[in-house]
Amino acid sequence: EPEVTQTPSHQVTQMGQEVILRCVPISNHLYFYWYRQILGQKVEFLVSFYNNEISEKSEIFDDQFSVERPDGSNFTLKIRSTKLEDSAMYFCASKGQYEQYFGPGTRLTVT
Amino acid sequence: AQKITQTQPGMFVQEKEAVTLDCTYDTSDPSYGLFWYKQPSSGEMIFLIYQGSYDQQNATEGRYSLNFQKARKSANLVISASQLGDSAMYFCAMREGYNFNKFYFGSGTKLNVKP
Repeated sequence: EPEVTQTPSHQVTQMGQEVILRCVPISNHLYFYWYRQILGQKVEFLVSFYNNEISEKSEIFDDQFSVERPDGSNFTLKIRSTKLEDSAMYFCASKGQYEQYFGPGTRLTVT
Repeated sequence: AQKITQTQPGMFVQEKEAVTLDCTYDTSDPSYGLFWYKQPSSGEMIFLIYQGSYDQQNATEGRYSLNFQKARKSANLVISASQLGDSAMYFCAMREGYNFNKFYFGSGTKLNVKP
């Protein structure tokens, strides 16, 4: 069964460093998303992406964040200068008929 | 106002019994979708069940059913014949309008199944 994959599973970085989180959505899906979940809290929407453009972004998704689909398969989230409060689980998702399929997540720890 | 409210932070159920996890939602959009996801301790988000706002019948997927009460704006998840492997966090989510729109998630319910 096709699935969304994400790498790395865990990333530790120092404050102020840039990180790139990678995702491979399900191949025939057209809409992609990034969500984050701070430990013990609800899942929050960051950004949606369609046709090589951002469709919608939340207020969390400020200038420090960017997304890209550099080729036909990868979908990346870049955080330019990480802050302690960026520590969270980051989920990539792609849309099926109605539901969104989530990847296993990348746990980002900013020290 | 919260889009999705889950009022049960934690629930216990005996193995093989049924359990209902509560979810209420708030939207003025006539077109919306309601979803339940399971998050085991390993962290991944597993899609369980979907209910569209125009669907006349409650959705069912194996041991999962969604008790959709539109007038009450509730979308409770019913798990029949609980298994030990059902122990996890359960999140209710909603999408308003177009079916490619973002999801709003509730705060989750931690279900513990006792042997």
